[in-house]
Amino acid sequence: NAGVTQTPKFRILKIGQSMTLQCTQDMNHNYMYWYRQDPGMGLKLIYYSVGAGITDKGEVPNGYNVSRSTTEDFPLRLELAAPSQTSVYFCASSPVRPEAFFGQGTRLTVV
Amino acid sequence: GQQLNQSPQSMFIQEGEDVSMNCTSSSIFNTWLWYKQDPGEGPVLLIALYKAGELTSNGRLTAQFGITRKDSFLNISASIPSDVGIYFCAGQTPVGKSNFGNEKLTFGTGTRLTIIP
Repeated sequence: NAGVTQTPKFRILKIGQSMTLQCTQDMNHNYMYWYRQDPGMGLKLIYYSVGAGITDKGEVPNGYNVSRSTTEDFPLRLELAAPSQTSVYFCASSPVRPEAFFGQGTRLTVV
Repeated sequence: GQQLNQSPQSMFIQEGEDVSMNCTSSSIFNTWLWYKQDPGEGPVLLIALYKAGELTSNGRLTAQFGITRKDSFLNISASIPSDVGIYFCAGQTPVGKSNFGNEKLTFGTGTRLTIIP
């Protein structure tokens, strides 16, 4: 059972470039989340989804977009990368209870 | 937004010692979760607490949901080298505008545990 899988694990972007962080889960969870983790900080919620076709903003959504066309996939899009988006990004999923299961993370550097 | 104060920020202990850390909030939470994060990995759920006053154990780990619903603590007994990592608390409260039952987590800033040889 793979759980939550994120790709890529590492990426370096130039300012202004765009990219999509992929996230897929095989646990049939309705809820999926994207968090970012800055050094020495806790996780901040970017976007979340309660099911296919339904997404909503979290605490720090600016500069990001998401879509949820299937239960399994929840990609995160960065349209115009900025240095402030340098961070480690975690995707997570959960069943009805808020016991989120996390992926291994994507370490993104914007230069 | 809601904030969680987690303390201590870091701990340096010897193998075999007991560890205690806590989280406090100015807001009430319905659920408290404790996660552990190893370097280069995502957080892994250790213990989930759903009721005020609840005391739950998972092996050498024990966590409690404070009576006021504004705090929680985590104890680790007889620490071993694999306990090294960052421990995060997370509090959850329902999203007010949503009828879906979705519940977002607010994370603490973490307690970094180091074991001195």
